[in-house]
Amino acid sequence: DVKVTQSSRYLVKRTGEKVFLECVQDMDHENMFWYRQDPGLGLRLIYFSYDVKMKEKGDIPEGYSVSREKKERFSLILESASTNQTSMYLCASSPPDRVDGYTFGSGTRLTVV
Amino acid sequence: DQQVKQNSPSLSVQEGRISILNCDYTNSMFDYFLWYKKYPAEGPTFLISISSIKDKNEDGRFTVFLNKSAKHLSLHIVPSQPGDSAVYFCAASDIGAGSYQLTFGKGTKLSVIP
Repeated sequence: DVKVTQSSRYLVKRTGEKVFLECVQDMDHENMFWYRQDPGLGLRLIYFSYDVKMKEKGDIPEGYSVSREKKERFSLILESASTNQTSMYLCASSPPDRVDGYTFGSGTRLTVV
Repeated sequence: DQQVKQNSPSLSVQEGRISILNCDYTNSMFDYFLWYKKYPAEGPTFLISISSIKDKNEDGRFTVFLNKSAKHLSLHIVPSQPGDSAVYFCAASDIGAGSYQLTFGKGTKLSVIP
């Protein structure tokens, strides 16, 4: 089974802090994605990557950046955390040609105070 | 502008009856549609999908129907079981353009009452 592991289940950070959310997958998938899930808004795509060192903006990239130095790892960075970034963050990976092949991690619940 | 819409935030169904979850989309370029199921504190898991060249796909208790002219799809669960209680997300993709990104709806929380 493909596993997508997000390093933290719960995080509490202060406003203005730089926050790193880590995601690792073990099935050599090319594609990796970061979503946030908010009540009433569903899942919204923040950034995605189709290969190492490649990144593309999703629908809501403002206030975020990403890093993909290795194929298995995709990091989401909040440059200066704000309270409106309090959310559930979900990482996913997929093979290059399988839109039904997404595997999601369990999520990181981030609270910015 | 939301391209994938799930207009019912919640749905309650008696165990053994049919659950029907609906989804509408506005982007006519979408050619592949999926349903994901999400339990609390877990990531979404793939449930069933349908290509735009079909109008129905069935997998056990789950059937997805697609009406392209109406830009509407629905997920039928028969019979509904308490373990089906979860949030269901409709998603769509434009595979024909080489995109494997998914655009999700807001989700519908299904409660199956024993």
